Amino acid sequence: TQTVSQSDAHVTVFEGDSVELRCNYSYGGSIYLSWYIQHHGHGLQFLLKYYSGNPVVQGVNGFEAEFSKSDSSFHLRKASVHWSDSAVYFCAVSANSGTYQRFGTGTKLQVVP
Amino acid sequence: NAGVIQTPRHKVTGKGQEATLWCEPISGHSAVFWYRQTIVQGLEFLTYFRNQAPIDDSGMPKERFSAQMPNQSHSTLKIQSTQPQDSAVYLCASSLDLGQNTLYFGAGTRLSVL
Repeated sequence: TQTVSQSDAHVTVFEGDSVELRCNYSYGGSIYLSWYIQHHGHGLQFLLKYYSGNPVVQGVNGFEAEFSKSDSSFHLRKASVHWSDSAVYFCAVSANSGTYQRFGTGTKLQVVP
Repeated sequence: NAGVIQTPRHKVTGKGQEATLWCEPISGHSAVFWYRQTIVQGLEFLTYFRNQAPIDDSGMPKERFSAQMPNQSHSTLKIQSTQPQDSAVYLCASSLDLGQNTLYFGAGTRLSVL
């Protein structure tokens, strides 16, 4: 069974700071890993995904994530956050064979001006 | 491209009433997913369709919940005899296909059962 965990429920940083949002997964086969962002009152929006190749993937708005098989992780990073990055971020995992995505519990990022 | 459209945005029902939620996926997308979001449970998978055929409904409560996709342009989630614990935001998403499935979500339907 695939599982995905996000250990931090809330993260607060100042505008201009860097941030890392953590995601760990448990799955034995080939998987797709994704990050989504949800602004209050809206649906989720895709940020980036990893399946194979370069373990560092670039997404929209300066976000990137790094896949680590040894750590079973897919952490999301941004070098310099903006107040508009305040939102809830969800990590998701799905099997390569094509099925639904399982989502983590989400990390609420608050960027203080 | 209007994205995934969900209607209504908000629905209030009395306990025991029926609720039908609508989803219009992005044109050309073959897979449609339903999720339920609550503060306590987070994002829970309910069911999904591929090319209108139901593929996996393992997340659906066995009683009172049903989903259909009568044509490629819309899917419905029906909840019979709604209960207060059904109160949640119901999210619909579509993707081009399974596998490398980037999900495109609608804004959701907030269901409140009084």
